[in-house]
Amino acid sequence: QQQVKQSPQSLIVQKGGISIINCAYENTAFDYFPWYQQFPGKGPALLIAINPDVSEKKEGRFTISFNKSAKQFSLHIMDSQPGDSATYFCAAGTGGGNKLTFGTGTQLKVEL
Amino acid sequence: DAGITQSPRHKVTETGTPVTLRCHQTENHRYMYWYRQDPGHGLRLIHYSYGVKDTDKGEVSDGYSVSRSKTEDFLLTLESATSSQTSVYFCAIRDRVNEKLFFGSGTQLSVL
Repeated sequence: QQQVKQSPQSLIVQKGGISIINCAYENTAFDYFPWYQQFPGKGPALLIAINPDVSEKKEGRFTISFNKSAKQFSLHIMDSQPGDSATYFCAAGTGGGNKLTFGTGTQLKVEL
Repeated sequence: DAGITQSPRHKVTETGTPVTLRCHQTENHRYMYWYRQDPGHGLRLIHYSYGVKDTDKGEVSDGYSVSRSKTEDFLLTLESATSSQTSVYFCAIRDRVNEKLFFGSGTQLSVL
């Protein structure tokens, strides 16, 4: 049972454009929603996280938008750069980073 | 890297042989996790530990066992490896201060 659905599977964006990755969850008990960035041969690295108390969180060029009623959240990467080319995973859990359930990943490529 | 070391980094083994992967952490975190990463499935939780000798099953625990005899070490054992266990295995810790999840660099396991 996949509790966190992520789309799209892959994404190509031009340099300077906006990358948008979407996730939907089913379990209303989830109260922590992080995004991870993974480069080839490396472990996933925490990028940004949000809890249901807020609808948006921004850190630099990265923004999480959260819609509690729709049970959806998304990652927006503004002014996308070639260095942002990586695989991105959304996740959801309760009690911070305990027993996170991950989406299936989005492979982002930012072209010059 | 949150003080996490996984060993070995790569391993090739034959079907039916036992395999043990090691995760070592240096910062006295209480919670440790083993995830596997497969294309199309994202990261899935195998087992986790919430203290010395305290472990519990995750989403995909069949065919795996774990042990934690010391705070710093969390071992994942495949008693009799199968080809379906070919995967990249990631150890993670939940930071005891900010409760965020941090991953090691992974072990690429191939079962032939």
